[in-house]
Amino acid sequence: GAVVSQHPSRVICKSGTSVKIECRSLDFQATTMFWYRQFPKQSLMLMATSNEGSKATYEQGVEKDKFLINHASLTLSTLTVTSAHPEDSSFYICSAPPRTMNTEAFFGQGTRLTVV
Amino acid sequence: GESVGLHLPTLSVQEGDNSIINCAYSNSASDYFIWYKQESGKGPQFIIDIRSNMDKRQGQRVTVLLNKTVKHLSLQIAATQPGDSAVYFCAENGQAGTALIFGKGTTLSVSS
Repeated sequence: GAVVSQHPSRVICKSGTSVKIECRSLDFQATTMFWYRQFPKQSLMLMATSNEGSKATYEQGVEKDKFLINHASLTLSTLTVTSAHPEDSSFYICSAPPRTMNTEAFFGQGTRLTVV
Repeated sequence: GESVGLHLPTLSVQEGDNSIINCAYSNSASDYFIWYKQESGKGPQFIIDIRSNMDKRQGQRVTVLLNKTVKHLSLQIAATQPGDSAVYFCAENGQAGTALIFGKGTTLSVSS
């Protein structure tokens, strides 16, 4: 089946630094990738949608200058958390939409970001 | 806004019992629903799905029931095992090509 590979699985960074999270579709091309954020004991909340060849669309309340999304190719989408702060510590998950309507989406393994 | 929610945040059962996890959705236009299992530190794992033209679907030890009249979804796990301990989310796809909308999640704790 389709596989979405997300890297790194865990990262610890200092406040003020930037962190890049990669999401790759391994055996299929993804023109769209969804990025979710999940705080402890909470559900997955959609942050933004990356689109290959065009600008990402962000959900209300998500700062586009802080969470930079790049969809450079049909197999790679990246999320960069810029000038990270402790409140950005969270679990970030990418997801590729299903290849046919009303079938399951494909999720990455998630990235646990801790900002100290 | 429209959202998918869960009735109970936690569910504790004994090994071998049957578990029922509930979900209420509000978008009557949603036509596809999925249950995911998430273990600590991992991404969501697909369990079972159901389309709106069905009211029941069975998998291995799991059954999903859909009641469109009251906009209610449930996940039944038969003979629950300790390995079933996780957080379970329902999700809906309101529009084709859009991201899934997730419910709040229910923590299932199975004791042996």
